[in-house]
Amino acid sequence: DAGITQSPRHKVTETGTPVTLRCHQTENHRYMYWYRQDPGHGLRLIHYSYGVKDTDKGEVSDGYSVSRSKTEDFLLTLESATSSQTSVYFCAISEWDRSNYGYTFGSGTRLTVV
Amino acid sequence: GEDVEQSLFLSVREGDSSVINCTYTDSSSTYLYWYKQEPGAGLQLLTYIFSNMDMKQDQRLTVLLNKKDKHLSLRIADTQTGDSAIYFCAEIYSNDYKLSFGAGTTVTVRA
Repeated sequence: DAGITQSPRHKVTETGTPVTLRCHQTENHRYMYWYRQDPGHGLRLIHYSYGVKDTDKGEVSDGYSVSRSKTEDFLLTLESATSSQTSVYFCAISEWDRSNYGYTFGSGTRLTVV
Repeated sequence: GEDVEQSLFLSVREGDSSVINCTYTDSSSTYLYWYKQEPGAGLQLLTYIFSNMDMKQDQRLTVLLNKKDKHLSLRIADTQTGDSAIYFCAEIYSNDYKLSFGAGTTVTVRA
């Protein structure tokens, strides 16, 4: 979607290696989120951020860490990738005000851990 | 996402109406959403409804909210092949900026 980009779009990595996914926004939104999407589970929140250096855990945060050193970038790191982390990862942004009540999603990163 | 439940599949004939149903558990939900995901793409916001509303209509889309039963539905009139996608119901709680999603309903439109 316009204003939010994820990189890479696809990645294959080996078990035990660290992986970092990047989310970049040009909307200057305060809130940023990382979700993973798996069949039968919908989207589950991994971590989210409510400002620079302000982050918190979601429901499936084990094995993941995040960093947000500037408003526009939110990084998701898999410290030691496992096959259970094979998934599609979505970043989202939001700014909760009278004109904006939803999330805008990126196009996703398909990660395969072999 | 376990607090929001949806049926997983719906098959509908082109030109008919589609109705996708969702139940949620938290009565303090402030906003309820419908998102659409086409194959290989991200999620696109279709519509949302405030919890103090019963209905919202936007062109071919009608959202109905039954707060008593915690039931949300999305009706798509005159369903087209381009409506084939996964539809996600989502809720957000008061003072909580985190969306909680259902598992998604895969809608297949047949000729």
